[in-house]
Amino acid sequence: NAGVTQTPKFRVLKTGQSMTLLCAQDMNHEYMYWYRQDPGMGLRLIHYSVGEGTTAKGEVPDGYNVSRLKKQNFLLGLESAAPSQTSVYFCASSYVAPLRDTEAFFGQGTRLTVV
Amino acid sequence: DAKTTQPPSMDCAEGRAANLPCNHSTISGNEYVYWYRQIHSQGPQYIIHGLKNNETNEMASLIITEDRKSSTLILPHATLRDTAVYYCIVRGYNTNAGKSTFGDGTTLTVKP
Repeated sequence: NAGVTQTPKFRVLKTGQSMTLLCAQDMNHEYMYWYRQDPGMGLRLIHYSVGEGTTAKGEVPDGYNVSRLKKQNFLLGLESAAPSQTSVYFCASSYVAPLRDTEAFFGQGTRLTVV
Repeated sequence: DAKTTQPPSMDCAEGRAANLPCNHSTISGNEYVYWYRQIHSQGPQYIIHGLKNNETNEMASLIITEDRKSSTLILPHATLRDTAVYYCIVRGYNTNAGKSTFGDGTTLTVKP
């Protein structure tokens, strides 16, 4: 059981380049999320999805786009990378269970550097 | 979601119990207390959660005060691998897990 898998694990981009980060989960979770974590700081939610074909903005959505074409995959895109987007990106997933509490399962992170 | 307050750092001797406090004085009746930890360079890991009763699992124990305004995460026999940032999160009953607010947490250093 792989859980939540992120690819790539590391990437260096030049300013203005584009890239897509892939998150895949094999737990049949409805909800998926993308976070960024800057040095010494907590996680900030970028975008999330409550099901296949749906996405929503989180706390810091500017400069990012997402897509959820398949239930198991959640893609995070940077159309024109900026140095301010240098960060570690985490993907997570969880069940949707409004009548009981659930926890989120996280991937191992993607370390992105924009030069 | 209610705001939480945690000390920025704590030390613990290997083999001893680590007691990590969290204040959540504005918690409301339907909000749970969750604990996650993040070991360096890894994704956060769920530890335990509770509503008002004390909880225990294979990783830790969670003690919630009777007024629910504070809680303590207990790692009964800390090891070097427990060195991590520990996040206390308060989340509404119907709020999905990924919209948890991760603050600055407590950096626990377990020393030999």
